[in-house]
Amino acid sequence: SQTIHQWPATLVQPVGSPLSLECTVEGTSNPNLYWYRQAAGRGLQLLFYSVGIGQISSEVPQNLSASRPQDRQFILSSKKLLLSDSGFYLCAWTGGAAPLHFGNGTRLTVT
Amino acid sequence: DQQVKQNSPSLSVQEGRISILNCDYTNSMFDYFLWYKKYPAEGPTFLISISSIKDKNEDGRFTVFLNKSAKHLSLHIVPSQPGDSAVYFCAASPSQGAQKLVFGQGTRLTINP
Repeated sequence: SQTIHQWPATLVQPVGSPLSLECTVEGTSNPNLYWYRQAAGRGLQLLFYSVGIGQISSEVPQNLSASRPQDRQFILSSKKLLLSDSGFYLCAWTGGAAPLHFGNGTRLTVT
Repeated sequence: DQQVKQNSPSLSVQEGRISILNCDYTNSMFDYFLWYKKYPAEGPTFLISISSIKDKNEDGRFTVFLNKSAKHLSLHIVPSQPGDSAVYFCAASPSQGAQKLVFGQGTRLTINP
């Protein structure tokens, strides 16, 4: 069966520091991969998605970037965090027609 | 521009009664709709979906209704149980195979004993 791993679960970072969140999927090949963010009191906002290695689509211009160095690995990064980057970050995958399957998320607090 | 809207941020229902969560959308290209359930500090889990060729889909205690002319869908939970207390998100996509889902803001459902 397929599983998705996302880490760390929580992270507190100062403003201006870099960020790297990692997500890996097991039990499937060539998944579509996604990064979503849930800001306080708001819905799930799609940040990036990828349909293959090295292929990244950005949905919202911002302080973040994403990379897919391997088929089942998706990384969310920032060179310098802003206070507004605080939120709950979710990685998700789909095999195509299936619904999105989410990881357990990372709670990021920028101080 | 919020293409998928859940206008009730919270809902409180007595255990055993029916819970009805509502969702409206504006994009007529949306053709496939889903509901997700989310507990605190966890990722959302898929609950139920419906294609626009149907107006109802049922799975156990959960039923989703779709009214395409009104661009409205609803999730009915009956009977409601304490474990149903969670945040519920509706989501929409131009097709089942589309690469992106657009989510609503979520409704926090609380089931009171």
